[in-house]
Amino acid sequence: ETGVTQSPTHLIKTRGQQVTLRCSSQSGHNTVSWYQQALGQGPQFIFQYYREEENGRGNFPPRFSGLQFPNYSSELNVNALELDDSALYLCASSRGGVGLAGATDTQYFGPGTRLTVL
Amino acid sequence: SQQGEEDPQALSIQEGENATMNCSYKTSINNLQWYRQNSGRGLVHLILIRSNEREKHSGRLRVTLDTSKKSSSLLITASRAADTASYFCATASQGAQKLVFGQGTRLTINP
Repeated sequence: ETGVTQSPTHLIKTRGQQVTLRCSSQSGHNTVSWYQQALGQGPQFIFQYYREEENGRGNFPPRFSGLQFPNYSSELNVNALELDDSALYLCASSRGGVGLAGATDTQYFGPGTRLTVL
Repeated sequence: SQQGEEDPQALSIQEGENATMNCSYKTSINNLQWYRQNSGRGLVHLILIRSNEREKHSGRLRVTLDTSKKSSSLLITASRAADTASYFCATASQGAQKLVFGQGTRLTINP
């Protein structure tokens, strides 16, 4: 158990709808990263939040957006869902921002949210 | 885009045997990490090796890193049925906290 929790566990949406996924980071961690894992593939980096600011983004369109709250929990929002958005969405928490002293290299992953878009 | 490529894509061995998985990557890294994933669930961190290290051990796991060849290997000794899972290597570049994953090796341990 990593102490990282995600909700919901499973979600079914239809094309064009919007979805919000939630993540609670491990105690003492101030950084949350989100990854998308399509079936049979490795996870792909969506973006990272550090101290409530976006701190790096992968190759995902603007309809993927996020938030980080003062308690360092985070949300991933996806608008105008497409069939290809069906995937396992993983969040990972860590400590510290890029290049800062005390930043940890290891990311601790939650159990994921399985999103199915019909 | 995926940086790492794991080899083989799938591996099936008998319980008690050793399992070796390889990972190659393309760019300079700060560290390389190995993760395990059971049946599409969350990733479990196994071991991290830094770019200035060549070998690291953790229990039944042994990881090597060859930065000149941009490759790493994960050895699981005395495999158990519970080791059945997908294994991913992930690289972290200097100044970047994001991890870049390979496509994984699906390991099956037969009793």
